[in-house]
Amino acid sequence: GEDVEQSLFLSVREGDSSVINCTYTDSSSTYLYWYKQEPGAGLQLLTYIFSNMDMKQDQRLTVLLNKKDKHLSLRIADTQTGDSAIYFCAERGSQGNLIFGKGTKLSVKP
Amino acid sequence: DSGVTQTPKHLITATGQRVTLRCSPRSGDLSVYWYQQSLDQGLQFLIQYYNGEERAKGNILERFSAQQFPDLHSELNLSSLELGDSALYFCASSVGQWDEAFFGQGTRLTVV
Repeated sequence: GEDVEQSLFLSVREGDSSVINCTYTDSSSTYLYWYKQEPGAGLQLLTYIFSNMDMKQDQRLTVLLNKKDKHLSLRIADTQTGDSAIYFCAERGSQGNLIFGKGTKLSVKP
Repeated sequence: DSGVTQTPKHLITATGQRVTLRCSPRSGDLSVYWYQQSLDQGLQFLIQYYNGEERAKGNILERFSAQQFPDLHSELNLSSLELGDSALYFCASSVGQWDEAFFGQGTRLTVV
């Protein structure tokens, strides 16, 4: 079936890089997404990558896609305290809906 | 601000009651999705509409129903509420059925 897995927690120091990993199951997914959820807020679309790409960079964010291993990662350079949030990986399901992982809670220590 | 508006922001109601959650999509978006977020289940897809028609169905209970109106706003109706229905309900919208989706701030439903 369609499933997305993420580790639940990540803790880094301010200024370090954060790498959040995700694995997905549907090899036919055309787009893969990263969303950010801050406490008490909705989900904010951070970035997405098309399945025929290996990498996408957008300012401090770098997305890497290994289609063979069905592995997606989000790297945040120079992580700031404002980056503390829950990060969700999502793939497109066969019906067009987004299938989310459980989210990785990123804690940034000063 | 994503441009997706959900009302109300908070709702407290008793078991057995019925509530309606409302969503206004971003201007120009034809697709609306509903998701339920709870601590134990994470983000679960409920249902999707495209230009007024139901397009995809997820783990939506029979007690729940939704519709999308001609002006493209959508409503999610939850009836015979149970304590376990307490959750954050999100609406998202996208231009087409397969485009990136933008989420509203959610409605927090508490059933007591």
